[in-house]
Amino acid sequence: AQKVTQAQTEISVVEKEDVTLDCVYETRDTTYYLFWYKQPPSGELVFLIRRNSFDEQNEISGRYSWNFQKSTSSFNFTITASQVVDSAVYFCALSEEMKTSYDKVIFGPGTSLSVIP
Amino acid sequence: ETGVTQTPRHLVMGMTNKKSLKCEQHLGHNAMYWYKQSAKKPLELMFVYSLEERVENNSVPSRFSPECPNSSHLFLHLHTLQPEDSALYLCASSLTAQPNRELFFGEGSRLTVL
Repeated sequence: AQKVTQAQTEISVVEKEDVTLDCVYETRDTTYYLFWYKQPPSGELVFLIRRNSFDEQNEISGRYSWNFQKSTSSFNFTITASQVVDSAVYFCALSEEMKTSYDKVIFGPGTSLSVIP
Repeated sequence: ETGVTQTPRHLVMGMTNKKSLKCEQHLGHNAMYWYKQSAKKPLELMFVYSLEERVENNSVPSRFSPECPNSSHLFLHLHTLQPEDSALYLCASSLTAQPNRELFFGEGSRLTVL
């Protein structure tokens, strides 16, 4: 069965610190997709990144970087030199290719990040 | 103008009221979704529409009734709700309903049922 675990419920860091948000997933499928979304206080979830199960190459986008490791079923997200605007709830999500149901996307419980000035 | 717009942003209703939530997307997408976000719970998928046809109903109570008159508009009609239905209702769209497509969300409609 699909499952996404984000063990960190809340994290607080001081501005300019680096922070890593953990995501561990479970799936029996060989083809799947992993996502990260950001939910600022305004409410809308904003797509950050998608990774498919065949692409383990890590990615960097500005201050954001993602570490995908199939061996540990993890897809961790690191923010370098955090800023107050990074304060939000971050969701990791998993989507499987072979499901026939459209209920394919499973979201983790989210990690609330507070960046203190 | 944001890609996905939801109205109203806030709604308070009694248990016997009938109200509707509206969602409009300006992205040319073919799939639209309703999600429910309650405190302390993961996002729950309620309904999926692909090309205006409902393709998924996640065992949602009949007091929630979706409507998708065209690929740009999605409604959630609310009737005889319960206090536990109070939540943030998020609309989303994607290019298609395929699992590898990212979702574009609106800001949500915060519903309070008294």
